[in-house]
Amino acid sequence: EDQVTQSPEALRLQEGESSSLNCSYTVSGLRGLFWYRQDPGKGPEFLFTLYSAGEEKEKERLKATLTKKESFLHITAPKPEDSATYLCAVPKYNFNKFYFGSGTKLNVKP
Amino acid sequence: GAGVSQTPSNKVTEKGKYVELRCDPISGHTALYWYRQSLGQGPEFLIYFQGTGAADDSGLPNDRFFAVRPEGSVSTLKIQRTERGDSAVYLCASGAGTSTDTQYFGPGTRLTVL
Repeated sequence: EDQVTQSPEALRLQEGESSSLNCSYTVSGLRGLFWYRQDPGKGPEFLFTLYSAGEEKEKERLKATLTKKESFLHITAPKPEDSATYLCAVPKYNFNKFYFGSGTKLNVKP
Repeated sequence: GAGVSQTPSNKVTEKGKYVELRCDPISGHTALYWYRQSLGQGPEFLIYFQGTGAADDSGLPNDRFFAVRPEGSVSTLKIQRTERGDSAVYLCASGAGTSTDTQYFGPGTRLTVL
């Protein structure tokens, strides 16, 4: 069964306390893995796309990595403004359908 | 240019009524997706358009749900005989339609069925 699973469901960090979020998938035939950030009451905002195992991408305090079965979103020295829900998504076939995880709700305390 | 827009931002209706939700994609984007998001969950795929045609409608939950994109730009999601379980945020996303597509989401329409 095609599935995307994210963990943990929620994460509370102190400002400056680094951590990682996990996204594992069983969608066959990897076409890419997408990370999004979603703030309350808004649509998901695109962060990264990873296309092959071993690939890494960085943006400010965020770094995404990809293996054959999972992806990690590493957050280094987070700030309160990094608080949001982080979603990962994997496309099926020729990008006609995307499977999303349930997200990790990150709360960074000052 | 402008991002994806959706109207209305909020819609409250009564059980059994018909509703239409509109999505204006980014200009020039040929790919358009509709999703439904319940509280605490990730977006759930409903339908995908490439141009004017529905290339994949496998996520539509039943025949009360229908979507159109007659001119390959604006899309409308139509829900007949609404039920309380249809209450959710309906998200629209558009993409350039390439093989490495990135989706750009609108702010969503919050539908509440009383």
